[in-house]
Amino acid sequence: DAGVIQSPRHEVTEMGQEVTLRCKPISGHNSLFWYRQTMMRGLELLIYFNNNVPIDDSGMPEDRFSAKMPNASFSTLKIQPSEPRDSAVYFCASSAKRERLGEQFFGPGTRLTVL
Amino acid sequence: AQRVTQPEKLLSVFKGAPVELKCNYSYSGSPELFWYVQYSRQRLQLLLRHISRESIKGFTADLNKGETSFHLKKPFAQEEDSAMYYCALLNAGGTSYGKLTFGQGTILTVHP
Repeated sequence: DAGVIQSPRHEVTEMGQEVTLRCKPISGHNSLFWYRQTMMRGLELLIYFNNNVPIDDSGMPEDRFSAKMPNASFSTLKIQPSEPRDSAVYFCASSAKRERLGEQFFGPGTRLTVL
Repeated sequence: AQRVTQPEKLLSVFKGAPVELKCNYSYSGSPELFWYVQYSRQRLQLLLRHISRESIKGFTADLNKGETSFHLKKPFAQEEDSAMYYCALLNAGGTSYGKLTFGQGTILTVHP
């Protein structure tokens, strides 16, 4: 089992460009979470889905950020247009809702640098 | 609203010394708390959960509802314990069921 898969692992882009981050959760998990990690703010929840439905997007910074989960095995986080302050490591995590609630499995993260 | 506070961003100890990473929380319901750890170049992973009352890699954490704390402790720190540690609180009810709220994290460095 490869665990949660994220792509790309690193992304360097210029301000104003669109960035799309991808995540494949662990098969059978029905909750998916997107986090952002920075030195200043630590680990922040951006949005999470239960059974492909967005439940809480209160952590999404602004309209430039959007997330989708078209099916149980794929999710995207899009930033358009990107800004230098978006530079961070973005993590995707999944969990099996009914089993061991609170145990989330994290992907390796995408390190985003916006120049 | 629920909140998790880790007052120390950085913590340094010497090998063999005791270590305590502090975590305080605020939550109106019955709390379920977790410690997650991120070693260098590894994924963030669950270290332990209070409900299991277990010791993992020599670490223990006791939930103190009176002080609303869930401090992580180890009597003798090892160099391989150097990592980022996050305390997390589970929302076990309502519309945000299953959501974890993380503290800001503590970077632990254990010196030889």
